[in-house]
Amino acid sequence: KNEVEQSPQNLTAQEGEFITINCSYSVGISALHWLQQHPGGGIVSLFMLSSGKKKHGRLIATINIQEKHSSLHITASHPRDSAVYICAHRGTNFGNEKLTFGTGTRLTIIP
Amino acid sequence: DVKVTQSSRYLVKRTGEKVFLECVQDMDHENMFWYRQDPGLGLRLIYFSYDVKMKEKGDIPEGYSVSREKKERFSLILESASTNQTSMYLCASSFLLGRDFTGELFFGEGSRLTVL
Repeated sequence: KNEVEQSPQNLTAQEGEFITINCSYSVGISALHWLQQHPGGGIVSLFMLSSGKKKHGRLIATINIQEKHSSLHITASHPRDSAVYICAHRGTNFGNEKLTFGTGTRLTIIP
Repeated sequence: DVKVTQSSRYLVKRTGEKVFLECVQDMDHENMFWYRQDPGLGLRLIYFSYDVKMKEKGDIPEGYSVSREKKERFSLILESASTNQTSMYLCASSFLLGRDFTGELFFGEGSRLTVL
């Protein structure tokens, strides 16, 4: 079983809809990352969370450490939001800050 | 503009060849990582390094080695390429968490390797 599970695997929505992507993990972590990968391969870091909530523009990320769950929300979705969204958790021991990734959620926003 | 640069976007090699993939970052990051990305499997860690000359195995190190002689450069080596190493290879870097609590990761554009 993957340590990081994302749902849904694929999501298609109409422009303007509110989007939620979920990430569950099975080990204790210190930080969780959300990343965005556009066609062509480039990966961009969106958020790193260790507690609570962060907001950047139309993107909101939340994390519940006790439930080992994080969500990424997109408000007023737009076709340019179409991408693969990936969550990953991170170790914090010095020399062991490696990331373990989920397999991603492919989001398609239809105009 | 901060950057992680990978030496080649596309490579085609023959089985048994030695392959070098280079990654250079200009942000003075301590951490550097090599991942491979395959459909349905996500990104899997091959090796990472948190300091010059330090390296740690990731989840799938078999068939790979790495070198970090300078802080800005992290090289991935396939000693004898095989067809099952055909993949997209991604390099990433970051500060140690104790140095930068944003924890932001920076990725290269990727190197798509085909082994025939």
